[in-house]
Amino acid sequence: QQQVKQSPQSLIVQKGGISIINCAYENTAFDYFPWYQQFPGKGPALLIAIRPDVSEKKEGRFTISFNKSAKQFSLHIMDSQPGDSATYFCAASTEGGRFGAGTRLTVKP
Amino acid sequence: SQTIHQWPATLVQPVGSPLSLECTVEGTSNPNLYWYRQAAGRGLQLLFYSVGIGQISSEVPQNLSASRPQDRQFILSSKKLLLSDSGFYLCAWSPEPGLNTGELFFGEGSRLTVL
Repeated sequence: QQQVKQSPQSLIVQKGGISIINCAYENTAFDYFPWYQQFPGKGPALLIAIRPDVSEKKEGRFTISFNKSAKQFSLHIMDSQPGDSATYFCAASTEGGRFGAGTRLTVKP
Repeated sequence: SQTIHQWPATLVQPVGSPLSLECTVEGTSNPNLYWYRQAAGRGLQLLFYSVGIGQISSEVPQNLSASRPQDRQFILSSKKLLLSDSGFYLCAWSPEPGLNTGELFFGEGSRLTVL
């Protein structure tokens, strides 16, 4: 049973554009919603995370928007750069993580 | 500071052979430990997690098993590998309950190819 659904599966964005990745979850007990970034051959690393008591969190070019009533959250990457090209995973958890299927982002120069 | 080590980094094994992947965490005590598998181009599938020595929870029935013989050591094993066991195996840890911010810290991964 997939508890976190992520879309799109792949995304191609021009340099300077906005990348948007969406996730939806089912379990209302989840209280932590992180995004991880993974480069080829490496383990994922935390990029940004949000708790359900806020609707938005911004760190540099990365923003999480959170809609508790819709059980959805999204990652926005502003001014996307070629170095942002990676696979991005959303997750939802109480502890540990249930991950989305991942989005392969390619930023073209 | 905390570090996590996984080995081997790369492994090529014949079908039917045994498997042992090791993971150790340094710089923390009583961590939660996790094994994930990532098939090519796919997401992260939680295989096992452990909240303490000898305490293993399995997420999916499979050809694999896990053990935690020491507080900061987590081992993934198989007696007989299948072709479908090929993938990228990731060990991760999170702080013990009560200190847990929710973040997972991943190792560098072990790439297993079963031929």
